[in-house]
Amino acid sequence: QITLKESGPTLVKPTQTLTLTCTFSGFSLSTSGVGVGWIRQPPGKALEWLALIYWDDDERYSPSLRSRLTITKDTSKNQVVLTMTNMAPVDTATYYCAHRYCSTTSCSEVFDYWGQGTLVTVSS
Amino acid sequence: DIQMTQSPSTLSASVGDRVTITCRTSQSISRWLAWYQQRPGKAPKVLIYEVSTLQSGVPSRFSGSGSGAEFTLTISSLQPDDFATYYCQQYDTYPWTFGQGTKVEIK
Repeated sequence: QITLKESGPTLVKPTQTLTLTCTFSGFSLSTSGVGVGWIRQPPGKALEWLALIYWDDDERYSPSLRSRLTITKDTSKNQVVLTMTNMAPVDTATYYCAHRYCSTTSCSEVFDYWGQGTLVTVSS
Repeated sequence: DIQMTQSPSTLSASVGDRVTITCRTSQSISRWLAWYQQRPGKAPKVLIYEVSTLQSGVPSRFSGSGSGAEFTLTISSLQPDDFATYYCQQYDTYPWTFGQGTKVEIK
């Protein structure tokens, strides 16, 4: 059974750096095709994809946020970490990590398992 | 980036109604489109991928269709559990983008 859970601060101040950890079970990020992504959702608004890291260490980022984001993985700990620098009130959102879907024959950037999400508020 | 436009933004319907949600993309995306359902306070759940393939465990009243740049999600007979917000997502071209959502409300 695949599960993911986000952890990190619930409140950060403007200009600070946010570090979120996704701890997962039921799969390995060393298995070919596997990926874990981060998606956020401001209150009452739509989903926004942020970043994704693959089993082979390839990383993809939202171009609009690229300069502020870093995604890393620790395969031995079954964790993926997202850091976002220079936080601002507009970054207030629920942050989700999610598993990249893989069928028996191929994988795609569809997210089939999600964490419960963690609400991060940016305020002084 | 590929822009995703869903319509309507809000839909009021009754249990048993047939409901259709449309997603238009700013360029053709072949078959790389997914639909998600999100209930209040919960994470999204994938319903359909590759335009029309039902994710395991999803009721058959959900179906997807379309091609190119216009796609639809249809719920054949709306059930109480289906009142939620629905999002389309393209995964044809990086960066992957979501629609703005369609909220299905009780009429």
